[in-house]
Amino acid sequence: DVKVTQSSRYLVKRTGEKVFLECVQDMDHENMFWYRQDPGLGLRLIYFSYDVKMKEKGDIPEGYSVSREKKERFSLILESASTNQTSMYLCASTRDYSYEQYFGPGTRLTVT
Amino acid sequence: EDKVVQSPLSLVVHEGDTVTLNCSYEVTNFRSLLWYKQEKKAPTFLFMLTSSGIEKKSGRLSSILDKKELFSILNITATQTGDSAIYLCALSFSYGKLTFGQGTILTVHP
Repeated sequence: DVKVTQSSRYLVKRTGEKVFLECVQDMDHENMFWYRQDPGLGLRLIYFSYDVKMKEKGDIPEGYSVSREKKERFSLILESASTNQTSMYLCASTRDYSYEQYFGPGTRLTVT
Repeated sequence: EDKVVQSPLSLVVHEGDTVTLNCSYEVTNFRSLLWYKQEKKAPTFLFMLTSSGIEKKSGRLSSILDKKELFSILNITATQTGDSAIYLCALSFSYGKLTFGQGTILTVHP
């Protein structure tokens, strides 16, 4: 079974803090994704990566950056957290040329 | 922006009812349309549709894609309380990139 894990299920941070969300997949997938999910808005793509050290902006990259130093790990970074970044963050991975994405359990981030 | 619109946004039914969830879109250059079910945690994959008019079926769930009219539907027959979830529709593009609709919140009462 494909497994995608995220470092925390719940996280509370203060405005202005630097926040790291980690995602690890164990199936050697080429592509990895970060989404945020907000009520009434569905999942929106923040960034994705199709190879180590390669990254592409998604639909809402502002205020975020990413890092992919190893194939299995994709990190989402909030350089200076703000209250409007309070959300559920979901990581996903997929094999190249595959259509189905496998999701992690999500991290619920609250910024106060 | 690639737009995917789901309707209704929420739906409340009783066990045994049949429901139809809608997903409409505006672009045509996608690889496939996918349906996911999300309960408390991660979305889980239901169906992938690439060809128009071919129904996919899994137990009480079925789905079909209409590429001419630019929509897909997800049907659930004889609903159960375990079907209560958010149902997500998404279009797949290169690199497996997904564009999601807002989701439909389905609540099934006993």
